[in-house]
Amino acid sequence: GAGVSQSPSNKVTEKGKDVELRCDPISGHTALYWYRQRLGQGLEFLIYFQGNSAPDKSGLPSDRFSAERTGESVSTLTIQRTQQEDSAVYLCASSLEAGELFFGEGSRLTVL
Amino acid sequence: AQSVTQLDSQVPVFEEAPVELRCNYSSSVSVYLFWYVQYPNQGLQLLLKYLSGSTLVKGINGFEAEFNKSQTSFHLRKPSVHISDTAEYFCAVSAGSGTYKYIFGTGTRLKVLA
Repeated sequence: GAGVSQSPSNKVTEKGKDVELRCDPISGHTALYWYRQRLGQGLEFLIYFQGNSAPDKSGLPSDRFSAERTGESVSTLTIQRTQQEDSAVYLCASSLEAGELFFGEGSRLTVL
Repeated sequence: AQSVTQLDSQVPVFEEAPVELRCNYSSSVSVYLFWYVQYPNQGLQLLLKYLSGSTLVKGINGFEAEFNKSQTSFHLRKPSVHISDTAEYFCAVSAGSGTYKYIFGTGTRLKVLA
């Protein structure tokens, strides 16, 4: 597709369940980012992938969070044993070079 | 390390009036600076960016921003706003070439009133 695609757009889950969020970056973009946006707050960096290099996981808030990316393709962000504080919009972005991030529309997660 | 401050969480302004959204940053190295806009229920979209060269940067939708190194600012301006400019605006900084770290401000909600 032409842009960054994220799914699901909305996810409602019960506390303690696992969720998986998917990001399909722009074809050819080597870099992929996950951010979290809590209501009324800025973007919180979670994880960064660049090609086949080891990802920068320094922003993951706990070991319940993990992410994978195969090569320069789709990425999945997994949250295990969800908690209410995990409720947020999870944004994925990809880039080809320094200067611009291309964002998806986000996955809104609500944990009841 | 870099940081970004957007002091104004909300800015109401009447249609056709000018607006300035403030952004200040801190960094010990040269930086790249960005403004992104987020319309309701959408992802972020790049408005404009400063990488090097002219300190006055023009972006889409009539917006512009000026990089002021001495004041460590990158304020966003538009001479005449429209209702359709109502959105959340985010300032972001990265530590220049060779880095992938983008630090975002907390955002400014611009509300254009009829």
